[in-house]
Amino acid sequence: AQSVTQPDIHITVSEGASLELRCNYSYGATPYLFWYVQSPGQGLQLLLKYFSGDTLVQGIKGFEAEFKRSQSSFNLRKPSVHWSDAAEYFCAVGDPDSGGGADGLTFGKGTHLIIQP
Amino acid sequence: DVKVTQSSRYLVKRTGEKVFLECVQDMDHENMFWYRQDPGLGLRLIYFSYDVKMKEKGDIPEGYSVSREKKERFSLILESASTNQTSMYLCASSLGLAGLDTQYFGPGTRLTVL
Repeated sequence: AQSVTQPDIHITVSEGASLELRCNYSYGATPYLFWYVQSPGQGLQLLLKYFSGDTLVQGIKGFEAEFKRSQSSFNLRKPSVHWSDAAEYFCAVGDPDSGGGADGLTFGKGTHLIIQP
Repeated sequence: DVKVTQSSRYLVKRTGEKVFLECVQDMDHENMFWYRQDPGLGLRLIYFSYDVKMKEKGDIPEGYSVSREKKERFSLILESASTNQTSMYLCASSLGLAGLDTQYFGPGTRLTVL
């Protein structure tokens, strides 16, 4: 089964600074990769996803992520953060070969992003 | 605009009570999911359903059951609530299979069991 690691539990960034959230996965082949965001008191919303093709993926709210097969990583980036970006961010890995079973999607434990004024 | 709604945002129940959490989606999605979210543990899949009356256990099904009588509605049932079931519960739906397609989440139900 696949696994996902988000090494940073909390990250603090100044407003206007750049952001990179790390995600590493363990999977035998190329997985499907997702980044979700959870604003305070809300459910999760998809930011972007990677299935195949161009390894740099653009998402909503100015976010992008880059799939690096050699590093088994799918890091999320934003060039300039806004106070409204303060939220919990989850990386998730899908198994294309799972047939949609119970282990079809695995979430990381999340990274809590704090924005300093 | 896609929408997943959950019957309650906050719920307080007593130990031993039977608890129903309801989830409704308006996107005609085949697949629906129940997760619980706990600090430091992320999201853990409780049950999912890929069709009406069909259900599959997730990673942590113990103490829970589900019901899907209609395509748009997926219910999570705590037969006898316990304090260790105090958590945030998230419902989601997707058109494609889990791990292969975008999941759309409801706002969550924060359940406290006293």
